[in-house]
Amino acid sequence: QQQVKQSPQSLIVQKGGISIINCAYENTAFDYFPWYQQFPGKGPALLIAIRPDVSEKKEGRFTISFNKSAKQFSLHIMDSQPGDSATYFCAASRVNSGYALNFGKGTSLLVTP
Amino acid sequence: DTGVSQDPRHKITKRGQNVTFRCDPISEHNRLYWYRQTLGQGPEFLTYFQNEAQLEKSRLLSDRFSAERPKGSFSTLEIQRTEQGDSAMYLCASSIGLAGGREQFFGPGTRLTVL
Repeated sequence: QQQVKQSPQSLIVQKGGISIINCAYENTAFDYFPWYQQFPGKGPALLIAIRPDVSEKKEGRFTISFNKSAKQFSLHIMDSQPGDSATYFCAASRVNSGYALNFGKGTSLLVTP
Repeated sequence: DTGVSQDPRHKITKRGQNVTFRCDPISEHNRLYWYRQTLGQGPEFLTYFQNEAQLEKSRLLSDRFSAERPKGSFSTLEIQRTEQGDSAMYLCASSIGLAGGREQFFGPGTRLTVL
């Protein structure tokens, strides 16, 4: 049972464009929502994370938007660069499970020159 | 390098053999997690430790799988009587833990191929 649903599965964006990846969750006990970036053959790397008491968080070109009532959150990558081409995973976790991460299935992003 | 390290990086084994993987977390990180990632999927949680105590195990962790963290530092994940369905990337992550550090830092993974 997938606790976090992620879309789209793949995304192609031109250099300089905005990449948007969406996630939805069901368990209202989740209280931590990170995004990870993974390059082929590497482990996931933490990109940015948000708590449900905040509606938006921005770090550089990366922004998380969080809608608690809709149980949805999204990652926006502004001014997308070819070096951003990677697989992105959203995740959710809760304190009662030691913050064990429940991942989405991932979005493969390709930024074309 | 002060990141999470995993050994070996690649393992090829025949069905029915036992394999053991090692994870060295970031120094002073109290929590250590194991995940499994199959091709084209997100990582799936297997188990986690708070110091040497194993606090939670996923239903994915069948009785052929066992994990230990004997001194609260490095951890091992053993798979007995491997099956072809065990072929995957096994990822280890660590976090500060009770001090409030939710952020998990992942190692490079061990890729297991069962022939």
